[in-house]
Amino acid sequence: KAGVTQTPRYLIKTRGQQVTLSCSPISGHRSVSWYQQTPGQGLQFLFEYFSETQRNKGNFPGRFSGRQFSNSRSEMNVSTLELGDSALYLCASSLTGPDGYTFGSGTRLTVV
Amino acid sequence: QQQVKQSPQSLIVQKGGISIINCAYENTAFDYFPWYQQFPGKGPALLIAIRPDVSEKKEGRFTISFNKSAKQFSLHIMDSQPGDSATYFCASLSGGYNKLIFGAGTRLAVHP
Repeated sequence: KAGVTQTPRYLIKTRGQQVTLSCSPISGHRSVSWYQQTPGQGLQFLFEYFSETQRNKGNFPGRFSGRQFSNSRSEMNVSTLELGDSALYLCASSLTGPDGYTFGSGTRLTVV
Repeated sequence: QQQVKQSPQSLIVQKGGISIINCAYENTAFDYFPWYQQFPGKGPALLIAIRPDVSEKKEGRFTISFNKSAKQFSLHIMDSQPGDSATYFCASLSGGYNKLIFGAGTRLAVHP
C-alpha cells in the first residue's frame, strides 16, 4: 500500500515569505501529525489532527498553522518565514492516534 | 515532565556485536514507548514498541527492555549489522496528549 506522501520534497524560500506543505496520509488513516526536525532541537511536535479537528498543538509561534481536510489530507503553513524555520518537516499518520505512526520522508525547507 | 532523555549520543559497534541505547522518562502518565529508526533522507520508521504492562519485547534481533520503577527503557540490537547504521530515536506517549515526545537520537555506526 502507498505510504505517507509529502510534497514538495525540497523547498527554498526567502525570509518573510510564506510556505504551504502538503501531506497525504495512508488511505484510511484519520490521525495526522506534523513534526519539525532540526540538528539542534531534534524532533519537535507541531500539531495533531484527527477527523479535521486539531487535538493538540506544540509550542510553536502562531506563524505555524495547519489544517486537515475531509479526505484526511493535511497541510501546514508557515508565514513570515525566518532563517530558523529551516528544517525537515515530517508528517505522520495512523488510524487513531500517535501509537503506530508511519512517517513520510519529509519536506526539506531552506529559508535564505 | 515531558522530557525523554536518550543516551548515548553516538555509538560505534563492531559487526556482530550488541548495540544498546537507553532512554529515561519523567512523566508516569506515559503509556507507550516506541523506537524509531531513521536513515539519511528518510523519515523515521517504527522499529518496535512496548507498553508498560510488560518488561520486555523481542522482535527478531531487536529487543526493548522496560523498567517501570526506574522509568527507563532500552533498545538492544543483537548481532548488529552494517545495515543497522542509522539514527535511532526513542519516544514516549501519553494517550491523553496525542503527541509523541522524542529523545534526542543516537547515531549508530556498525563497522564491518
